[in-house]
Amino acid sequence: GENVEQHPSTLSVQEGDSAVIKCTYSDSASNYFPWYKQELGKRPQLIIDIRSNVGEKKDQRIAVTLNKTAKHFSLHITETQPEDSAVYFCAAPSGGADGLTFGKGTHLIIQP
Amino acid sequence: DAGVTQSPTHLIKTRGQQVTLRCSPISGHKSVSWYQQVLGQGPQFIFQYYEKEERGRGNFPDRFSARQFPNYSSELNVNALLLGDSALYLCASSLASTGFGTGNTIYFGEGSWLTVV
Repeated sequence: GENVEQHPSTLSVQEGDSAVIKCTYSDSASNYFPWYKQELGKRPQLIIDIRSNVGEKKDQRIAVTLNKTAKHFSLHITETQPEDSAVYFCAAPSGGADGLTFGKGTHLIIQP
Repeated sequence: DAGVTQSPTHLIKTRGQQVTLRCSPISGHKSVSWYQQVLGQGPQFIFQYYEKEERGRGNFPDRFSARQFPNYSSELNVNALLLGDSALYLCASSLASTGFGTGNTIYFGEGSWLTVV
């Protein structure tokens, strides 16, 4: 099955700076990579996803890049704001019809 | 439009008891998946159902079972509860099967917080 590694586990940045979270995956056949944001006590919410036919996707201050050769994908948040503080999870399809395999999460802290 | 709805939101059970969690997918979605999220970890896949058939199963013991009804709602059952089953149980829905290669987006419900004492 798929193995997803996520780094760092905790990331603290100054408000207004950029944040980058990185994930690697093991199965070269994986073709869909979503990112979820989870605030304390809440459900994970999809913030952006990318399919393997593109290398980058942007949505306002959020972008995701994908390097299929190296089997890694990254989340980029620019001009960070206090409301960006949360735990972020990357994911990739598991083998067969097994849903998604999630990374262990990154706790993003935005310092005022 | 209603999102994914789950019930109950919180519950406390005793070791050895059984629990049933319920989920209604987004209108028009035919696939329901269940995930377990232990505090401080990412969600772990338990089951996926599509068109009332089990399409995938994660690495969970047989104490965990699920089913999907004709209206696409779903139930997750856990028997012989252990302390380690304490977690947030998330239901997710998608338009179609989220199998490998489909790239179908899944949307989570608010979850059911289960505490086993």
